[in-house]
Parts: sequence; C-alpha cells; structure tokens
Amino acid sequence: GAGVSQSPRYKVTKRGQDVALRCDPISGHVSLYWYRQALGQGPEFLTYFNYEAQQDKSGLPNDRFSAERPEGSISTLTIQRTEQRDSAMYRCASSSISSGGELFFGEGSRLTVL
Amino acid sequence: QQQVKQSPQSLIVQKGGIPIINCAYENTAFDYFPWYQQFPGKGPALLIAIRPDVSEKKEGRFTISFNKSAKQFSLHIMDSQPGDSATYFCAASLSGNTPLVFGKGTRLSVIA
Repeated sequence: GAGVSQSPRYKVTKRGQDVALRCDPISGHVSLYWYRQALGQGPEFLTYFNYEAQQDKSGLPNDRFSAERPEGSISTLTIQRTEQRDSAMYRCASSSISSGGELFFGEGSRLTVL
Repeated sequence: QQQVKQSPQSLIVQKGGIPIINCAYENTAFDYFPWYQQFPGKGPALLIAIRPDVSEKKEGRFTISFNKSAKQFSLHIMDSQPGDSATYFCAASLSGNTPLVFGKGTRLSVIA
C-alpha cells in the first residue's frame, strides 16, 4: 500500500551503540512527525518537519537524539550512544496540507536496548 | 505537565453497551480535538475529530461531545461491538499543522 513505511520494524542493539530509524512518508505529505510510544502509553511528541525544515524539536529527550529530512521526503531519527531507557516503539506519522490535521501513522520501529 | 488527561485507563462493556471515554485539556488555545483508535501491532488511526465551533459531532456509531467552558470532550460508542475492542487516544493541537498532544489512552474491551 501507499502508507507510511518505517524500517527496521524491530531493532535490538547493545547499550552504547548508535541506531538510525527510517521513515518514508506518504508521497506528497508535507509534514512528518516523530513520536515515541511506551507500552501502554500514548504517543509522545519528539520532533516534526515541514518539507525539509525541522519546525520543532522540543520533544527530543536530550542531545543524543537527532532527526533529519534532507530532501523533504524520507526522514531519519538517530539515537547515539543508546541507553536502556531509550527502548520504546518509535512511530512516524505524516500529514498533508489538505488532511485537516489528520496524522497517518506508520507501524513503528520497536527499539530494544540491551 | 500533562496537557491532555484521559480517563478511564481501561473499560469493559457488554456488546451493545455505550462506552464513554473522557478527556480534559489545559491549553485554551487548542482548537482541534481528534480521537485515534489503535489495534494491537498497528499504528493509531484517526477515528473522528471535532473543532470547538460545534458541541457535538457524530460519525456512524461514534460521537464526540465537546464542552468548551469545561475544557472537556468525550467519545461515545453506540451499540458497541467486539470489533471495537482497541485502545483509544484523545489528542489536541493548535490548528495549522502543529503536533498533536495525546492522552495516555483507554483500553476498551467489548465482550459478547
């Protein structure tokens, strides 16, 4: 289908390693959002882009987290020197100007840090 | 600071019952209030949304009631079915493509 695609779906890494999570939004969607969702909790905002410009990164927990969307399409969320507390589901969502605020979520990347 | 407070955490109803999930928000500048539905292993998907110029919106068996003065809104599911069993999230945002702030979710179980 033409939904939001995230990869990898599952990532297991050792503490201290860097990880990169990829999001391929719905074609033509201007806005791209990254959320983190702990088990049994609601999505927690991390950062978002309009086109290639990062509009708000206030939700990034610390400077180990960064995101980019260099060509206004695919985005990468990078976590450096991972810690166990980074273990969570990372969700990407996209929206279009005409979607009236509706976010279309991907199926997420589940990160486990050992 | 939790900007959107959702209750209850979990809810069990009989088939045909009318579960009600409540949400309270703090930021009076919020003007978009959606409910998302999430099935296990899937991402959240928009169910229904309301803007503060109306007090109620109905789509099929799902109704949002909105009380601007109380800064509260709720989701009602009429004639609930086992297939409605899912986690429901309320959310809020400012208009103009700003990030949604989500509640913590309500796990609904509809038993036959």
